[in-house]
Amino acid sequence: AQKITQTQPGMFVQEKEAVTLDCTYDTSDQSYGLFWYKQPSSGEMIFLIYQGSYDEQNATEGRYSLNFQKARKSANLVISASQLGDSAMYFCAMRLHPPGNTGKLIFGQGTTLQVKP
Amino acid sequence: DGGITQSPKYLFRKEGQNVTLSCEQNLNHDAMYWYRQDPGQGLRLIYYSQIVNDFQKGDIAEGYSVSREKKESFPLTVTSAQKNPTAFYLCASSIFSGLAPNEQFFGPGTRLTVL
Repeated sequence: AQKITQTQPGMFVQEKEAVTLDCTYDTSDQSYGLFWYKQPSSGEMIFLIYQGSYDEQNATEGRYSLNFQKARKSANLVISASQLGDSAMYFCAMRLHPPGNTGKLIFGQGTTLQVKP
Repeated sequence: DGGITQSPKYLFRKEGQNVTLSCEQNLNHDAMYWYRQDPGQGLRLIYYSQIVNDFQKGDIAEGYSVSREKKESFPLTVTSAQKNPTAFYLCASSIFSGLAPNEQFFGPGTRLTVL
């Protein structure tokens, strides 16, 4: 069965420093996608970054980068130069590609990040 | 502006009542999803629909029902059979094609409380 594990319930980081949020996944499928979403206290889910299982380079989107280690089945999110507005809950999610694709996302439990001034 | 709207933002239900949560999207997305989120937890899939007039159960469909009569609308009914419905409900949509990224776009959510 597919599963996402986020082992850090809460993290603190000093403003302007970098922080890594851990994510490991479990699947026997070879083709899949990994996503990171941010959920502020307002509740909306904001898409941050995506990594495909066949992508050779790690994904980057502005201050966000994804440290993808396929052999270890990990997809850690790195936030550089943290800002106070980064304080939120962060979710790692996985979606299978065909033939197992239903489009649904499997989410981890989330990590709460607090940025300290 | 394109996006997903959910209403109401807050909903209170008495035990034994059915309630319907609205989800509308104007992104022309084929696929729509309903998730449930309990405090401090991740999202769990209730139902999803890849095309009009078709939908499938997710991981926690018991006590819920949906319909997909129009591409842009995917209402969720929380029935009295759902034993613990107090939660935050999120609707999402995406282009449905084989490969990524096709990220899901989420609505602002509905917070349901059973009195």
